[in-house]
Amino acid sequence: DIQMTQSPSSVSASVGDRVTITCRASQHISSALAWYQQKPGKAPKILIYSTSSLQSGVPSRFSGSGSGTDFTLTIISLQPEDFATYYCQQTNSFPLTFGGGTQVEIK
Amino acid sequence: QVQLQESGPGLVRPSETLSLTCTVSGGSISSYYWSWIRQPPGKGLEWIGYIYYTGNTNSNPSLRSRVTISVDKSKNQFSLKLSSVTAADTAVYYCAGPHTGAFLHWGQGTLVTVSS
Repeated sequence: DIQMTQSPSSVSASVGDRVTITCRASQHISSALAWYQQKPGKAPKILIYSTSSLQSGVPSRFSGSGSGTDFTLTIISLQPEDFATYYCQQTNSFPLTFGGGTQVEIK
Repeated sequence: QVQLQESGPGLVRPSETLSLTCTVSGGSISSYYWSWIRQPPGKGLEWIGYIYYTGNTNSNPSLRSRVTISVDKSKNQFSLKLSSVTAADTAVYYCAGPHTGAFLHWGQGTLVTVSS
């Protein structure tokens, strides 16, 4: 199985801050990586697929980058509605696996 | 817009079989892959398995011996059975799809508690 390691596990930030979350795969996964946002009591919502493709309707303050084993989700100018937990997921091979999550909290 | 809705018992006895159904609306199940994913309370996401509309399936090796996923194209539904459940199987169960990799659409999730 491909292990996905996210860091940090939590981050405290203020509205307007830039936040960067990293995700490392235990094997090369090319660009087969997605990012999700999850709010309490809700299903995850896809933000980005194929490393850097923004899902329709997702604000442009979200962006993704990386390749191979190291990936990044960046949120520029954090908004109140962005406080949530973020997960990465590799889509390169089965079993599909997720990172452990990064909780973005209000500072 | 594809919508998914999970249904099934919210309480299952230990050693019994968990059974859930996902009803797909706004699109046909006769394309792509459809998956089950679960999330124990306060924890992360675990992919359980998928079914392709043709009936081909694949599941997480960690659960494979206990998982059965099936499809009913006439009802636009797919289902999950997880046998011999224990307290460790207590989780919110989501259905998601259609997908080739990333999960674009998710159901709202249903909490299944394993307890006597």
